[in-house]
Amino acid sequence: ETGVTQTPRHLVMGMTNKKSLKCEQHLGHNAMYWYKQSAKKPLELMFVYNFKEQTENNSVPSRFSPECPNSSHLFLHLHTLQPEDSALYLCASSHSGAAGEQYFGPGTRLTVT
Amino acid sequence: EDQVTQSPEALRLQEGESSSLNCSYTVSGLRGLFWYRQDPGKGPEFLFTLYSAGEEKEKERLKATLTKKESFLHITAPKPEDSATYLCAGGNAGNMLTFGGGTRLMVKP
Repeated sequence: ETGVTQTPRHLVMGMTNKKSLKCEQHLGHNAMYWYKQSAKKPLELMFVYNFKEQTENNSVPSRFSPECPNSSHLFLHLHTLQPEDSALYLCASSHSGAAGEQYFGPGTRLTVT
Repeated sequence: EDQVTQSPEALRLQEGESSSLNCSYTVSGLRGLFWYRQDPGKGPEFLFTLYSAGEEKEKERLKATLTKKESFLHITAPKPEDSATYLCAGGNAGNMLTFGGGTRLMVKP
């Protein structure tokens, strides 16, 4: 595997379900990010981890819970989501000193029913 | 609050018809202006970093420029494979990126 991978690529879940999104980077980076991309809206930064430590939580509802066990892996745990949470969730990584040059995964298309 | 605005939202060009995309920004302590390309069903792909007014970067048919308030992505003699959504983002003093809404470029053969 190369670059940034995300699983699953597609996810349909009910409002009462609990699921997790997984991201893995093979680039030797030490910063990882979660973004939300909704139709007709700009990319929204959700969380940032630098060297496994969360350095940014962009006022994200608690039904989204991130986890970063090491510099290569990032998870987004989901529970009791709302239909408006349906979106493309993108993971990215970068060197911590080059936060503007981010490498993105293909995203997980989430649909909440 | 940091803001990045891109125009137009969508742009249709004939193959070979040059044009420019605009990115206006208000970002506190700007640490860089970044351009990305996003193809359908994929994550954004990094293109350029611009750090200071007057700076220019080129890659194939693309040239990015920066002023104190705007950045432009000039596309010279585009080809159908240049069709994509182009995103710009401003990096602030905390190294957080604020993205614009993107310009969807369609190049017809």
